[in-house]
Amino acid sequence: GAVVSQHPSRVICKSGTSVKIECRSLDFQATTMFWYRQFPKQSLMLMATSNEGSKATYEQGVEKDKFLINHASLTLSTLTVTSAHPEDSSFYICSALPRGGGQPQHFGDGTRLSIL
Amino acid sequence: DQQVKQNSPSLSVQEGRISILNCDYTNSMFDYFLWYKKYPAEGPTFLISISSIKDKNEDGRFTVFLNKSAKHLSLHIVPSQPGDSAVYFCAASELNTPLVFGKGTRLSVIA
Repeated sequence: GAVVSQHPSRVICKSGTSVKIECRSLDFQATTMFWYRQFPKQSLMLMATSNEGSKATYEQGVEKDKFLINHASLTLSTLTVTSAHPEDSSFYICSALPRGGGQPQHFGDGTRLSIL
Repeated sequence: DQQVKQNSPSLSVQEGRISILNCDYTNSMFDYFLWYKKYPAEGPTFLISISSIKDKNEDGRFTVFLNKSAKHLSLHIVPSQPGDSAVYFCAASELNTPLVFGKGTRLSVIA
């Protein structure tokens, strides 16, 4: 089945560090990838929609300068959390929509980000 | 305002019995509904879906029922197995828009 690889799975770093998370679709092309954030006991909250070759669309309340998204190819999107602070600690998950649209989205295994 | 609601945070069922997970939504424009299953430290895995033109979709032990007038869907797992223990997320979308997720229901299947 469709596979999405997300790396790294776990990051622990100091406040002020920038962290890059990669999301790759391994066996399909994805013109659209999504980035979600999940707080404990909460649902997945959409942060932004990443479209290959164009600027990402951010959800209300998500700082685009804080969470930089690059979708440089049909198989790779990256999320960079710039100058991370403890409040940015969370579980970040990406998903990819196969080229041609339609559902379902396929998810990566997520990245647990802990900022000290 | 939460558009997709899973009001039961947890559910315990005995092995072999039926598990019924419920989901309610408020947006009448949603036309596609999905269930995802999530194990700890892993991303959600697609389980089953249903479009708004249907009221039932079955795949092996998993059946999803959709009641559009009540804006309610449910996932039935029968017979339940210990390996089904996970968090189940209900999600919904309009055509070509991002999914909206519920908060999830943690299912525990007891042997």
